[in-house]
Amino acid sequence: DAKTTQPNSMESNEEEPVHLPCNHSTISGTDYIHWYRQLPSQGPEYVIHGLTSNVNNRMASLAIAEDRKSSTLILHRATLRDAAVYYCIPIQGGSEKLVFGKGTKLTVNP
Amino acid sequence: GAVVSQHPSWVICKSGTSVKIECRSLDFQATTMFWYRQFPKQSLMLMATSNEGSKATYEQGVEKDKFLINHASLTLSTLTVTSAHPEDSSFYICSARDMRGSGGANYEQYFGPGTRLTVT
Repeated sequence: DAKTTQPNSMESNEEEPVHLPCNHSTISGTDYIHWYRQLPSQGPEYVIHGLTSNVNNRMASLAIAEDRKSSTLILHRATLRDAAVYYCIPIQGGSEKLVFGKGTKLTVNP
Repeated sequence: GAVVSQHPSWVICKSGTSVKIECRSLDFQATTMFWYRQFPKQSLMLMATSNEGSKATYEQGVEKDKFLINHASLTLSTLTVTSAHPEDSSFYICSARDMRGSGGANYEQYFGPGTRLTVT
């Protein structure tokens, strides 16, 4: 499994954009980059995933570097509900297993 | 949208007893389900992969005789913690993948809300 490096914590203000970085320099060519988040005392929640191209959905955008060694999860307007631990997880193409690292704890200030 | 439920949401049991936790996919079928454990202030740790109609695959260091997994149907997987001890107290979470997906890593997983187990 590709190793990931994420900041332990980040802070943002409500209604401002948030850029959550992830380094995955050992990623292989067929690894998909997944992002999940976990709110306190809840199970994780899928956010977004991609392979090479940038991806957008109703929750967030995923910007993948051209060399795929890093990616950035973008929350366009943070809300208090976005306060959670965000996990960046590369997954091998044929695998189904999610291996969670420590993630980034995002605090959103009102 | 895809929903995964767990029952119970919390349970307290005495040391030495067994506890069963159910994981259900409510609006989709799941060939594969996953069980995780999470201790306070730590990340999720994958315990095992549950496959419908076959034996579960356990991660290294997880005792298969202590954590019994049964995946009897395409919508139900159960985790039984046998002879529970206080050190088994944890947050247990299951997840599932919609089998209609293309398979592999190009899919999303759906997680249950978790079951908090306290062993006294």
